[in-house]
Amino acid sequence: EVQLVESGGGLVKPGGSLRLSCAASGFIFSNAWMGWVRQAPGKGLEWVGRIRRETEGATPDHIAPVKGRFTISRDDSRDTLYLQMNSLKTEDTAIYYCINENWGRFENWGLGTLVTVSS
Amino acid sequence: EIVLTQSPGTLSLSAGERATLSCRASQGVNSNYLAWYQFKPGQAPRLLIYGASSRATGIPDRFSGSGSGTDFTLTINRLEPEDFAVYYCQHYSDSVFTFGPGTNVDIK
Repeated sequence: EVQLVESGGGLVKPGGSLRLSCAASGFIFSNAWMGWVRQAPGKGLEWVGRIRRETEGATPDHIAPVKGRFTISRDDSRDTLYLQMNSLKTEDTAIYYCINENWGRFENWGLGTLVTVSS
Repeated sequence: EIVLTQSPGTLSLSAGERATLSCRASQGVNSNYLAWYQFKPGQAPRLLIYGASSRATGIPDRFSGSGSGTDFTLTINRLEPEDFAVYYCQHYSDSVFTFGPGTNVDIK
């Protein structure tokens, strides 16, 4: 059974940093393109970014609003995905979901972890 | 950039009825990259349909998807109590993922 378990969410002040983790199991993590999707309170879903396999250089893509502030990375030895979030803004407040991507769709999702940016 | 619109915003139905959800794209899209998801409180979101009409693994056959070009439909035949949820369509093109605003299927 595929499982994606996010952790690391919480309350942080504007300008602060947070690192989210996603522990994966039930599939060959090193073969997967992985990413993050977020949903702000009362708002729609927004894809945050993704990272390719190590064999493809593990190159990440990030959406414009987070480029330069957020970094997606992976550790295949730990079957874990990360989202390093710096210079956080109030508009980054959201539930962050870990996903594995396959041919333009999100095959599996985690339960999500809540990030609240507030003073 | 492609914009997805879903209708209706809310659909109030009873168990056993059929739900018909619409997803419309602002321009023609490749149906190979059109997916539907189910969101329920306290549960991990679930992929239902990909490629506009293919059911994901483990999805009951009362869920079906159809459409092409700019108009896509998710149909849920004979609603079960566990089907009351929010449904989103999603498209992928040119390394960009786009979601619709969702349709809430609630109990009448």
